[in-house]
Amino acid sequence: QKEVEQNSGPLSVPEGAIASLNCTYSDRGSQSFFWYRQYSGKSPELIMFIYSNGDKEDGRFTAQLNKASQYVSLLIRDSQPSDSATYLCAVPWAGGYNKLIFGAGTRLAVHP
Amino acid sequence: DGGITQSPKYLFRKEGQNVTLSCEQNLNHDAMYWYRQDPGQGLRLIYYSQIVNDFQKGDIAEGYSVSREKKESFPLTVTSAQKNPTAFYLCASSIGGLTGVNTGELFFGEGSRLTVL
Repeated sequence: QKEVEQNSGPLSVPEGAIASLNCTYSDRGSQSFFWYRQYSGKSPELIMFIYSNGDKEDGRFTAQLNKASQYVSLLIRDSQPSDSATYLCAVPWAGGYNKLIFGAGTRLAVHP
Repeated sequence: DGGITQSPKYLFRKEGQNVTLSCEQNLNHDAMYWYRQDPGQGLRLIYYSQIVNDFQKGDIAEGYSVSREKKESFPLTVTSAQKNPTAFYLCASSIGGLTGVNTGELFFGEGSRLTVL
């Protein structure tokens, strides 16, 4: 089992809809979770992180964490074509915060 | 402006050649990393360094070498022993090192795309 798993997509949603991106992880001891966005040909950038069970909202983005189910998701409300990118879920390596393990990413396509 | 600079942006290599990718940061970050990304795959860690003169192998270190002689610099050499080096290489840094103060945020350079001819 991979340490961090995501559906590769593409996930296609119409403009204005809610995009739901999911990520599962194998290490029950993981305490923090990160979502990075990567536009085609560019480097990743951090958009959200979450430490506690429940929801964390930042603008149109909501991160949801369920540690019991080892599941973290990212919701994007009112999706825009500019949200079209690959979204990478990342979890710190069990040995310390300084090493992140990335999922393969989910490609999101928002069509007008 | 503070940031991470990678060079070259594009690099072509003949089989059997070693090449070195440069990574320089002026963020005063302790930790630096090299990741490799292949099409349709996530980032895989090659090497990381939490402090000057110290570095650790990541998950796919074979065929690569690094040095960390200065805090600002973490060059990656792709050797001829790396059998499939064509990929997108990303250098990153983070605030935390052995101090343990870290939000988990990595700051990435713009990447270097290496193609073997």
